[in-house]
Amino acid sequence: QKEVEQNSGPLSVPEGAIASLNCTYSDRGSQSFFWYRQYSGKSPELIMSIYSNGDKEDGRFTAQLNKASQYVSLLIRDSQPSDSATYLCAVGPTGGFKTIFGAGTRLFVKA
Amino acid sequence: ETGVTQTPRHLVMGMTNKKSLKCEQHLGHNAMYWYKQSAKKPLELMFVYNFKEQTENNSVPSRFSPECPNSSHLFLHLHTLQPEDSALYLCASSQVVSGNSYNEQFFGPGTRLTVL
Repeated sequence: QKEVEQNSGPLSVPEGAIASLNCTYSDRGSQSFFWYRQYSGKSPELIMSIYSNGDKEDGRFTAQLNKASQYVSLLIRDSQPSDSATYLCAVGPTGGFKTIFGAGTRLFVKA
Repeated sequence: ETGVTQTPRHLVMGMTNKKSLKCEQHLGHNAMYWYKQSAKKPLELMFVYNFKEQTENNSVPSRFSPECPNSSHLFLHLHTLQPEDSALYLCASSQVVSGNSYNEQFFGPGTRLTVL
């Protein structure tokens, strides 16, 4: 079983729509959860971090965490073509340094 | 610009060459990381250094040799690599506070390595 699972996509949404990206993880003791955006040919860029159950909003981005279901998601409202990228879900352990990354979901926003 | 720089940005080397990748972070962080990113695969953690001490070595072949002379600089020395080692090598840094795992990592631009 993969430690962090994401649908590889591509997920295609029209401009202005809500894009919903999902991630599940296997380590029930995980404490920290991150979403990174990676444009083609570029390095990952941290866009959201979440540490407790519930929703966390930052501009057009909302991260949602449900530790009981071992599920974390990212919603992008009013999607723009510039949001087209691969989104990486990352999960941190209970202490330590080993953050586990998912393989990423490719998002394509159609103008 | 995240405050993490990497050189060179592109590197082509033969299997018998020796080369080094360099990473420098200007964020005052205490932990630095090397990751390998291959096409269609998740980021693979290679090495972690905390306050210059290696804390993780993720079963990486000995042809990859890390060096961390201080908390701002990290090197990855390469020798007798194989074509399957061709990938994007990413450096990252974070500020780790003892007792928690709020480990937000900031990545450099990466070195695109091609082994012929």
